[in-house]
Amino acid sequence: EVQLVESGGGLIKPGGSLRLSCAASGFSFSKARMSWVRQAPGKGLEWVGRIKSETDGGTTDYGAPVKDRFFISRDDSGNTLFLQMNSLRIEDTGMYYCTTIHRDYYFDHWGQGTLVTVSS
Amino acid sequence: SYELTQPPSVSVSPGQTARITCSGDAFPKKYAYWYQQKSGQAPVLVIYEDDKRPSGITERFSGSSSGTMATLIISGAQVEDEGDYYCSSTGSSANFLFGGGTKLTVL
Repeated sequence: EVQLVESGGGLIKPGGSLRLSCAASGFSFSKARMSWVRQAPGKGLEWVGRIKSETDGGTTDYGAPVKDRFFISRDDSGNTLFLQMNSLRIEDTGMYYCTTIHRDYYFDHWGQGTLVTVSS
Repeated sequence: SYELTQPPSVSVSPGQTARITCSGDAFPKKYAYWYQQKSGQAPVLVIYEDDKRPSGITERFSGSSSGTMATLIISGAQVEDEGDYYCSSTGSSANFLFGGGTKLTVL
């Protein structure tokens, strides 16, 4: 069974940094493309970014609102996905979900999310 | 860049057919995907590639796409189908799009 467990969320002041983790199990993590999707309180889903497998080059892509502030990385030996968030803004507040991506088309498995609150 | 537009809400009585639309210039070049999100839970994929149903998803859910509009169809809607539904597609350059979401009420 695929399991994705996010951690690392919390309360952070504007301008601060935070690193989220996603522990993966039940599938071949090293071969998987992975993504982060977020959801502001009471709002819709927003794609944050994606990382390909090392076999596919390990490249990353990001949504415009987070580009150059957020960075996705992976540790295939530890089956863990990371999201480094820098220069945090109030509008970055929300639930952050870790997902698998099927063939770069859709998000087929989701974690339960970790909540990030950016507030002074 | 592409955008996906959904109605904010749809309401039906139990047993009726609910139709949730998603319009955007991404279609028909790109596939539509649909996610269900119940209150306090993570989203779940219910339709992929316009009209395919993942294993474990009830046959009540189906999808269609024509021109610049994709539609999620819930036949014989039940109270347990209530929630928020999001359409999704891929953008023009290695990105992913979501519609604004539609709140389905069954009562």
